[in-house]
Amino acid sequence: TQLLEQSPQFLSIQEGENLTVYCNSSSVFSSLQWYRQEPGEGPVLLVTVVTGGEVKKLKRLTFQFGDARKDSSLHITAAQPGDTGLYLCAGELETDSWGKLQFGAGTQVVVTP
Amino acid sequence: KAGVTQTPRYLIKTRGQQVTLSCSPISGHRSVSWYQQTPGQGLQFLFEYFSETQRNKGNFPGRFSGRQFSNSRSEMNVSTLELGDSALYLCASRPGSGNTIYFGEGSWLTVV
Repeated sequence: TQLLEQSPQFLSIQEGENLTVYCNSSSVFSSLQWYRQEPGEGPVLLVTVVTGGEVKKLKRLTFQFGDARKDSSLHITAAQPGDTGLYLCAGELETDSWGKLQFGAGTQVVVTP
Repeated sequence: KAGVTQTPRYLIKTRGQQVTLSCSPISGHRSVSWYQQTPGQGLQFLFEYFSETQRNKGNFPGRFSGRQFSNSRSEMNVSTLELGDSALYLCASRPGSGNTIYFGEGSWLTVV
């Protein structure tokens, strides 16, 4: 059982549409990170959020950390084919840090032209 | 600044053999952690080292071991390989506690 539940598992949209990926848990995290991974490669960091209620924007990507630090969301505006990839949320538990990230199962996003 | 470097990138081993994977962290990073990624289980934490000491360990059998050297480089070893050990092994580094973790490109291990 994974501590971080990611939804949806798969998302296929047309270029220009918006999408949101959710990451939920019943546990409290001291920080939460979002990564994007291409097939056969390592995860590439997109953002780290550490404060409850925090919102970070990275061009067309908006990340939000829940007030209670138990959940997060990633919103992509006007998606482009280059946004295609596996999106992973990962967090460090308040009670178990030291390099141990808890990962969600991932959301495979496919953006078609 | 160079990223996390892992070697080798790809390797094929036979059941029962052992394998050693190497990781060079980002310069100045003293914490190195290892993860296993498989289609069925996703990304799972193996262990974390800081200043040559293992600080945290995941739920993997004793066949999985690691170490860190004084220059922060790390190695992980898997002995008596099983088919189920086929996976992408990822190394990650960060300066210390409470900081963002950066991943390498991984080492693809296939056990036949």
